[in-house]
Amino acid sequence: AQSVAQPEDQVNVAEGNPLTVKCTYSVSGNPYLFWYVQYPNRGLQFLLKYITGDNLVKGSYGFEAEFNKSQTSFHLKKPSALVSDSALYFCAVLSYGQNFVFGPGTRLSVLP
Amino acid sequence: DGGITQSPKYLFRKEGQNVTLSCEQNLNHDAMYWYRQDPGQGLRLIYYSQIVNDFQKGDIAEGYSVSREKKESFPLTVTSAQKNPTAFYLCASSLPRQRHDTEAFFGQGTRLTVV
Repeated sequence: AQSVAQPEDQVNVAEGNPLTVKCTYSVSGNPYLFWYVQYPNRGLQFLLKYITGDNLVKGSYGFEAEFNKSQTSFHLKKPSALVSDSALYFCAVLSYGQNFVFGPGTRLSVLP
Repeated sequence: DGGITQSPKYLFRKEGQNVTLSCEQNLNHDAMYWYRQDPGQGLRLIYYSQIVNDFQKGDIAEGYSVSREKKESFPLTVTSAQKNPTAFYLCASSLPRQRHDTEAFFGQGTRLTVV
């Protein structure tokens, strides 16, 4: 069975500092991995994905993520955090059964 | 504009009532999904459908029902059998996994409250 773990419920970072939101996964076969962001009372917005190819994936709003097969990780990163990045972040995997399995979410707070 | 529309945005249900949440997409996607989100929690899969007239139960299907009579529409009914229906409900759609450009597109959600 596919599963996604986000080991941190909350990440706090100062504005201008780099941020990392962690994600590890467990899948059989080649993983299709995704990051989404959710603002209060809204749906999820797509940030980036890894399907195949380069392990470093660049996405929306300056975010990037690195796929590490040996560590089964797909951590989300941004070189310089903005206060407006404060939101709930979800890592997800697309299973062979054609459904998206989401992690529990990590709340990011960027402090001014 | 292509996208997913969920309605209503807010819904109030009395005890013992069935209610139906609407989800419509004009992205020409075959796959559609319903998720439930509770405060401070992640998304749990209720039902999903890979093609018209076919759907599968997710992790928490009890007390819910769906239909997929049209490609564009995947309504979710919350029945009186669902003991704790107060939650935020999210609908999504996607292309098949075989497509490398696949991703899940989400609606803006429906907040259901039992009164």
